[in-house]
Amino acid sequence: QVHLVESGGGLVQPGGSLRLSCAASGFSFSRSGIHWVRQAPGKGLEWVAFIRSDGKIQYYADSVKGRFTISRDNSKNTLYLQMNRLRPEDTALYYCARDQSWSFDYWGQGTLVTVSS
Amino acid sequence: QTVVTQEPSISVSPGGTVTLTCGLSSGSVSSSHYTSWYQQTPGQAPRTLIYSTNIRSSGVPDRFSGSILGNQAALTISGAQADDESHYYCLLCMGYDIRVFGGGTKLTVL
Repeated sequence: QVHLVESGGGLVQPGGSLRLSCAASGFSFSRSGIHWVRQAPGKGLEWVAFIRSDGKIQYYADSVKGRFTISRDNSKNTLYLQMNRLRPEDTALYYCARDQSWSFDYWGQGTLVTVSS
Repeated sequence: QTVVTQEPSISVSPGGTVTLTCGLSSGSVSSSHYTSWYQQTPGQAPRTLIYSTNIRSSGVPDRFSGSILGNQAALTISGAQADDESHYYCLLCMGYDIRVFGGGTKLTVL
């Protein structure tokens, strides 16, 4: 059974940093691309970033390019999102989701990031 | 910047059929956008319904179908049920390196 469990969210001041984690189980993590998707309170979904199964290719939304870094440790079945220079508009629930044929098939339950002074 | 468009809200009667659309502010949606559709109820993570335009995800009932209608992608729900009342989001692949969600459609069953 596929499980994705996000952690690392919390309250951070504008300009600060935070690292999110996504622990995966129930499938071959090292063979799967993984995405981060976020949802601001009361708003729609926004794709954030993608990393290929081997970690060698990463893609980012323009809104986070240059500030966020997606990475993975296949030996630990864990995905990361390093978020720097955080802004109030980065406040959102952050989901990790497994890639499937240009879409997502499994989603975690999300971790909440709040950027506020 | 191209925007992915969806109806903000739609209503359907129980047992009825409804079509939600997903378009582009500039240009047409085609199979090369690999449209996918997601259902989200309040407080829950999204659930994948359709991927690659018209392939149902595992466990999704055949009341849900995806297609291309004219210059837009479409999600059709037939035999609408009360628990279909949700937000629905489409996702387009805008090239190999970018994914863009639509703004979402709130479906009301009444």
